[in-house]
Order: sequence, then structure tokens, then C-alpha cells
Amino acid sequence: DTGVSQNPRHKITKRGQNVTFRCDPISEHNRLYWYRQTLGQGPEFLTYFQNEAQLEKSRLLSDRFSAERPKGSFSTLEIQRTEQGDSAMYLCASSRGTGGETQYFGPGTRLLVL
Amino acid sequence: QKEVEQNSGPLSVPEGAIASLNCTYSDRGSQSFFWYRQYSGKSPELIMSIYSNGDKEDGRFTAQLNKASQYVSLLIRDSQPSDSATYLCAVNRPGGGGSYIPTFGRGTSLIVHP
Repeated sequence: DTGVSQNPRHKITKRGQNVTFRCDPISEHNRLYWYRQTLGQGPEFLTYFQNEAQLEKSRLLSDRFSAERPKGSFSTLEIQRTEQGDSAMYLCASSRGTGGETQYFGPGTRLLVL
Repeated sequence: QKEVEQNSGPLSVPEGAIASLNCTYSDRGSQSFFWYRQYSGKSPELIMSIYSNGDKEDGRFTAQLNKASQYVSLLIRDSQPSDSATYLCAVNRPGGGGSYIPTFGRGTSLIVHP
């Protein structure tokens, strides 16, 4: 499978716990994006990387959220001290180039915070 | 004013009809415009991308862009029940760091009934 992969696909956690999600992009893609999507809404941009550099971060992203892409390949998104409002689908996408190109989405990680 | 606006629908059309989906965006500096299809519980998949004013056709799909009016549309000809999904409009709008941020509308739900 040469598409974008995300793990885990589902995560249930208790409020206050930390969670970490992983995204493996398509191998030749240098851009990697993270989004959050709730029911009835479109994907909401969180952050993106060009290779290992984090170029943009949404102002909506609180300090509890952090993302890394240490070697310009896979990326992790960590949420510290989860809150019930963090319950959502977390989507990763990748693209090739410097912007404006087609993004390919992974299957997403569905997070439920109890 | 939301950055990318779409009518949430649902838009209901009979099989074989033309479905017309519309999207407006607020930032005149936006470049690169996309239509994604998202089935319930799945991640978005690209249908069309358009970068310059005018029409772009791909099979049963036609995307239209009017930058002066800040308007993007998607026409689906000969609609099929399998086209029933949520259609997301996405725009790359200028970010604070000199790059472009992908911004999605909330999506329009399309129902094609036999």
C-alpha cells in the first residue's frame, strides 16, 4: 500500500491523558498536513510541514497540541491533557512540491475523550 | 464571514440530472482551488483542482472558477446514486508566514435519488 497511513485508527482515552498519533505520508511527498474534523464540518487546518520544518501552525491550536516530523518522513501529533472537546477525527494528508498540489488524505484517527 | 462558505444542503437531485455545487471564499489572495468528495466515515478524496479563471472538465465533472467574484463551483452531469456524498470546497489562502494554508468549507451534502 503506497497511500498515506495513520495509526491508530481509533483511540479512546480519559480526560487528562496524553495521546499521540502517527502519520506516514506517501514516500516521495515532502509536505505533510494535519487537520481536525468534527461532525458536520470540513477539515480544520492544524499545521503543516515542508520536509522537517513546521511552516504554519493554526492559531486555534492550543499549547496542548504539538507536532513533529523529525526526519522529514513520518509525523506525530501529540495532545496533552486531553479534553472532551478534543474528540474528533484527526486527518493527515501529504503532497509533493511547494504548495498548491493535490493532497492525499490518510484514513484518519478517530479520538474519543471520555 | 467564514473564509470558505458552502451551503450545507442537503442538495437532492434525481438520477441523471445535473448537480450544481457552489462555494465562495473571502481572501482575494487565495490561489489553488479544490473540490473533494467525502463519503460518510471516510476521508476526503480529490475530484478536481482548478487554478485559473474559467472552466475545467474531467469526465462528468466540471469545475468553474471566477476570481473576480471569489466563486468556485462544481457541476456533476448525469448524477448517479454513487455520487451521494459530502462535497468539500478547499482554497489555499495566504498564511501569516508567507505560505498558503489549505482552508475547507463545511461541505455540501448531495443526495442523488433513483
